[in-house]
Amino acid sequence: DAGVTQSPTHLIKTRGQQVTLRCSPKSGHDTVSWYQQALGQGPQFIFQYYEEEERQRGNFPDRFSGHQFPNYSSELNVNALLLGDSALYLCASSFGTGEETQYFGPGTRLLVL
Amino acid sequence: EDQVTQSPEALRLQEGESSSLNCSYTVSGLRGLFWYRQDPGKGPEFLFTLYSAGEEKEKERLKATLTKKESFLHITAPKPEDSATYLCAVRNYGQNFVFGPGTRLSVLP
Repeated sequence: DAGVTQSPTHLIKTRGQQVTLRCSPKSGHDTVSWYQQALGQGPQFIFQYYEEEERQRGNFPDRFSGHQFPNYSSELNVNALLLGDSALYLCASSFGTGEETQYFGPGTRLLVL
Repeated sequence: EDQVTQSPEALRLQEGESSSLNCSYTVSGLRGLFWYRQDPGKGPEFLFTLYSAGEEKEKERLKATLTKKESFLHITAPKPEDSATYLCAVRNYGQNFVFGPGTRLSVLP
């Protein structure tokens, strides 16, 4: 049973560029959430996708956008990258939007120069 | 505003030296409290979910407990492989997860 997978594992971009990160949920899961984790801090909630729609959003600017596909996989897009966007980006999947536990992928390490 | 704090920030133990990690929370309607373990550069690994005060869960050397305001992760006779950052998170009625900053645990042989 494959767990949550993310690609790429590492990425280096320069300020002002755009980036797309990808996530495939755990088998049987239909909900994907994205988190940003700065070094030494806990993950910060960006948004959650269910039934191909954004259901919840954290305190992140519109530069952060996402998409969920019919097969439940998801993308996170970040436009006009800033140095402060350097972080570990985590994807978590769950079944439904109720009280189910979220399971995390290995993350994508983004470095903005 | 929902908030999660964890203490201590960092903890060093000798192998076999039992201790507890604390997670204090304020949340607008608790829909679950979650403990995760995170190794450096990796995604969080799920450990426990607790839903109501008085609930306890155990897994190997770890035991999690929950009260109305805080949760404890008790580590009994830890081994070096237990070294990691332990994250606590709460889920509120809005279905969002709010994470604490974590406790960095080092277990020395």
